Amino acid sequence: GNSVTQMEGPVTLSEEAFLTINCTYTATGYPSLFWYVQYPGEGLQLLLKATKADDKGSNKGFEATYRKETTSFHLEKGSVQVSDSAVYFCALTNQGGKLIFGQGTELSVKP
Amino acid sequence: DTEVTQTPKHLVMGMTNKKSLKCEQHMGHRAMYWYKQKAKKPPELMFVYSYEKLSINESVPSRFSPECPNSSLLNLHLHALQPEDSALYLCASSQGVQVGTLHFGNGTRLTVT
Repeated sequence: GNSVTQMEGPVTLSEEAFLTINCTYTATGYPSLFWYVQYPGEGLQLLLKATKADDKGSNKGFEATYRKETTSFHLEKGSVQVSDSAVYFCALTNQGGKLIFGQGTELSVKP
Repeated sequence: DTEVTQTPKHLVMGMTNKKSLKCEQHMGHRAMYWYKQKAKKPPELMFVYSYEKLSINESVPSRFSPECPNSSLLNLHLHALQPEDSALYLCASSQGVQVGTLHFGNGTRLTVT
């Protein structure tokens, strides 16, 4: 079946630190991959996406590359800010169109 | 600002009450969704509407009753809920069920007493 596995949180970093949140997936066919972010008290927002192998999604300084050979879509940011504190969800859609989420990784950035 | 609007933001209801959650989008999307989210967990899909017709029901108990009056509106009618139904209820929309990315509202925080 299709599934997404994310690194467990919470992740606590100091401001300006480098961020990596690992995400690997299992899927049949060629899924599209997503990172959603949920800030406290809000719904989910699409952060970035990639629809085919070797695509790089980027937004607000965050990047993730669709790696088919390692079935991964790791999220990175070179210098995090306090305002990046949120829960990050990796997700995929397959031919059925259903969005399948990972368990979420809580990020806390301290000044 | 989110383009999917949900009301109310917060709702407290007793187990014998009947209430409704509302969702509205004006992006011309033809697919609309209800999700349930418990604290620090991923959203769980409940219902999907495509072109105003129910296309997916993820075996949700009948005390939750969805309704799609038109292409812009989605309701979730609640009756005889249990305390374990307390959660954040998120509405989302997309161009089509297999087309485009999901746009989420900010949710309704439901507490069942």
